[in-house]
Amino acid sequence: DGGITQSPKYLFRKEGQNVTLSCEQNLNHDAMYWYRQDPGQGLRLIYYSQIVNDFQKGDIAEGYSVSREKKESFPLTVTSAQKNPTAFYLCASSLGPSGANVLTFGAGSRLTVL
Amino acid sequence: SQQGEEDPQALSIQEGENATMNCSYKTSINNLQWYRQNSGRGLVHLILIRSNEREKHSGRLRVTLDTSKKSSSLLITASRAADTASYFCATVPVGGGKLIFGQGTELSVKP
Repeated sequence: DGGITQSPKYLFRKEGQNVTLSCEQNLNHDAMYWYRQDPGQGLRLIYYSQIVNDFQKGDIAEGYSVSREKKESFPLTVTSAQKNPTAFYLCASSLGPSGANVLTFGAGSRLTVL
Repeated sequence: SQQGEEDPQALSIQEGENATMNCSYKTSINNLQWYRQNSGRGLVHLILIRSNEREKHSGRLRVTLDTSKKSSSLLITASRAADTASYFCATVPVGGGKLIFGQGTELSVKP
């Protein structure tokens, strides 16, 4: 089945630790995205990548980092510089730029800082 | 930056009733999309309507777009308990390129 796999589904982190969320897609999509969702809120764009080895900051990139070394993979690192990292993180992909295409989402990763 | 504003924020109806959710946005758009999110899950695309379209249908879903009022509505007819979810509109501003999501409408359909 084609789709997006996010792991882990749940993650707990102590303050000061970096954590990496995995996102893998087998849809052969060029573009990939990371969103953050807080309770009762919409989605806010963290980072996006339209092609391998290139990525752009979204609206709330501070305290996060990404890489896009392979077309199918777009991991997100939540660094200790992110002051309020507890949230639900969603990875998505699209065939081309999101303006012209619809997004396919993964099931999400819930990060809790202890 | 949030462009879409959904109304109402929450909606509770009985099975069989129709559910209408509204989305307003601020700038001119290329297209508007509606997504559904079940609790604790990822979003699923429902329907895309382009700026030159006024209405689209997909099964029990009907979407309208009024670019003069900068608003869209999503109608779910003959609702079912399984329609219980949050519904988000997302817009693509002209020249902007990236989807911008609203804060969503939480729909509860009681059996």
